[in-house]
Amino acid sequence: GQQVMQIPQYQHVQEGEDFTTYCNSSTTLSNIQWYKQRPGGHPVFLIQLVKSGEVKKQKRLTFQFGEAKKNSSLHITATQTTDVGTYFCAMTGANSKLTFGKGITLSVRP
Amino acid sequence: DAGVTQSPTHLIKTRGQQVTLRCSPKSGHDTVSWYQQALGQGPQFIFQYYEEEERQRGNFPDRFSGHQFPNYSSELNVNALLLGDSALYLCASSLRTGTFHSGANVLTFGAGSRLTVL
Repeated sequence: GQQVMQIPQYQHVQEGEDFTTYCNSSTTLSNIQWYKQRPGGHPVFLIQLVKSGEVKKQKRLTFQFGEAKKNSSLHITATQTTDVGTYFCAMTGANSKLTFGKGITLSVRP
Repeated sequence: DAGVTQSPTHLIKTRGQQVTLRCSPKSGHDTVSWYQQALGQGPQFIFQYYEEEERQRGNFPDRFSGHQFPNYSSELNVNALLLGDSALYLCASSLRTGTFHSGANVLTFGAGSRLTVL
C-alpha cells in the first residue's frame, strides 16, 4: 500500500546547528502532515501542506511540499534542546486514513 | 475544551487475556482512530470509527475489535493477547467533514494507554 519513507531514523546535532529531514513517497500525495512526539509523549500535530511547492513557517521550523507532491522537508534553524523528539510525516490515503512514516528522532547536544 | 482522554494509562496483562481500552474524543470531533505504536516505531493504523461504524481497517487480525458509541467515545478490545501486543495504544480524534483548510482530518492524539503483556 501507499507509504511515506523517512530516512535516517536518528540524527544528532549540536545545539545551534541547522537540521533538515525529508519525507518521500513513490506516489503523488494529496497532502502531507507533520507531527512531533516528545520523549514519553504522544504525537502532536505541527502542520499540514496541501499545495504543490507550498512553504509554511512556524518560528524556526520551515516546512515545504515538493513541486511534484511526492516529498516534503522539515528544516529547523539553529536547533535548541526543546527541539528534541521524533518528527513524523503522515499521508492521507483513501477514506481519510492517515499513514505515518517511521519518524526521525532528533537529539540535540547542548 | 478537553482534549482526547484515554484510560487506563498503563496496564499489565498476561498472554491469552483480553483487554479493553477507552477513549473520549476532543469536543466537536466525530471520528476516532486507533493506532498501535511499538517502541521506536511510528504509529500503525488499527482502525477508524465514524458514525458508530468501522470505516477503515489496517493490517491487524480480528483479535482487534472496536466500538464507537453515540457520544463519539470509543473502545478498543484485544482478545487472546500475545507478547507482541505490548505497545502504546494511541487514540486520535478528528473531524471527518470539511476541507483541509478547515482542519478536517487533522488528528488530535490522546496520551495513550501503555499495554504490557507478560
